[in-house]
Amino acid sequence: DADVTQTPRNRITKTGKRIMLECSQTKGHDRMYWYRQDPGLGLQLIYYSFDVKDINKGEISDGYSVSRQAQAKFSLSLESAIPNQTALYFCATSDSLNSDTGELFFGEGSRLTVL
Amino acid sequence: QKEVEQNSGPLSVPEGAIASLNCTYSDRGSQSFFWYRQYSGKSPELIMSIYSNGDKEDGRFTAQLNKASQYVSLLIRDSQPSDSATYLCAGGYNTDKLIFGTGTRLQVFP
Repeated sequence: DADVTQTPRNRITKTGKRIMLECSQTKGHDRMYWYRQDPGLGLQLIYYSFDVKDINKGEISDGYSVSRQAQAKFSLSLESAIPNQTALYFCATSDSLNSDTGELFFGEGSRLTVL
Repeated sequence: QKEVEQNSGPLSVPEGAIASLNCTYSDRGSQSFFWYRQYSGKSPELIMSIYSNGDKEDGRFTAQLNKASQYVSLLIRDSQPSDSATYLCAGGYNTDKLIFGTGTRLQVFP
């Protein structure tokens, strides 16, 4: 089983629908992240969380919200999806004790299509 | 705006050759630099990190950092077809707010 699990892996939805992408991890890491990847663009940070009570906006947080339900769970919500939110979304984790290593552990990705 | 720039490629090299991937960054305050490899349809995985000026070697991979020129590179020696992937350069203070480049696609042909 993957250490960082994302659900759903693929989702097609319509404009205006509410969508939740879920991420759970078994690595015991305290830090969790949501990234978005578009063709021809780099990974862009949406939100990140240092622990359950510490959530921070990234570069492109508009139109998104998150919830850190537990140390192991971090969900991303699109309250009212729009077509330009069509992208590949990655959840990632890191260990604050090793933050200098730069090692992010990524989930397998959730491909979202908004029609 | 802080940026990390890479040539999108593709960079095509024959098997056994040295592949040279380059990256420039705009934020002089960045202290840590990373190379991630991403196979098509897969998630990125860390292959190298570098924090100080100079070279860092790990097996067939060598990362090079020149902070004065704001330049980072990755050399892959004895390139193999299995090295064919997109290589993402990232820079920042640590993992908290890494800025990723758009990636360079490497193709190694037999």
